[in-house]
Amino acid sequence: AQSVTQPDIHITVSEGASLELRCNYSYGATPYLFWYVQSPGQGLQLLLKYFSGDTLVQGIKGFEAEFKRSQSSFNLRKPSVHWSDAAEYFCAVGGSYNQGGKLIFGQGTELSVKP
Amino acid sequence: GAVVSQHPSRVICKSGTSVKIECRSLDFQATTMFWYRQFPKKSLMLMATSNEGSKATYEQGVEKDKFLINHASLTLSTLTVTSAHPEDSSFYICSKRQGPTETQYFGPGTRLLVL
Repeated sequence: AQSVTQPDIHITVSEGASLELRCNYSYGATPYLFWYVQSPGQGLQLLLKYFSGDTLVQGIKGFEAEFKRSQSSFNLRKPSVHWSDAAEYFCAVGGSYNQGGKLIFGQGTELSVKP
Repeated sequence: GAVVSQHPSRVICKSGTSVKIECRSLDFQATTMFWYRQFPKKSLMLMATSNEGSKATYEQGVEKDKFLINHASLTLSTLTVTSAHPEDSSFYICSKRQGPTETQYFGPGTRLLVL
């Protein structure tokens, strides 16, 4: 079955500390992988995506993620967290148009940032 | 990224009335749009895929007659919640698919409260 698991429901880090948000997926075909961020009461903003090539992808706001096929993971990282990074983060997996193009979302990880 | 708007951003209605939510692609044409529902502190649940010029494809368990979707133009999809009840209160988000990697770009969401 296709699924996305974000093991951490809530993470708190200190401002300036590094961050890693975990994401594991199960997908039968070659996956397209995404990280989105959602501020309260807002829509989702795309942080980064992976569909082929270099397994380390860079995104906006200083985020990066690494695709590890052997571990079925796509963890999100940031070397130094800012207070404005506090939000909900969603990992998602999808396929090509021929595969329906739908996204499957993880449960989300809420990030809190301590001053 | 792509630009998607939603209108209204918030709506309060009485039980039994119908509410229409608009989702517009402001930059490129969107032959396919998606409608999601999100409960508080929860992930996104795909309701249906909206296809320009044809019937929408609904996910299992979503009532077609309850949630009417119309995709009459290449830039506009609408979701009408018919005979709304308090349990329909939720955050509704649309997205459009764009580009060779089928990336989805999301609207800002519509908060519906049914009294």
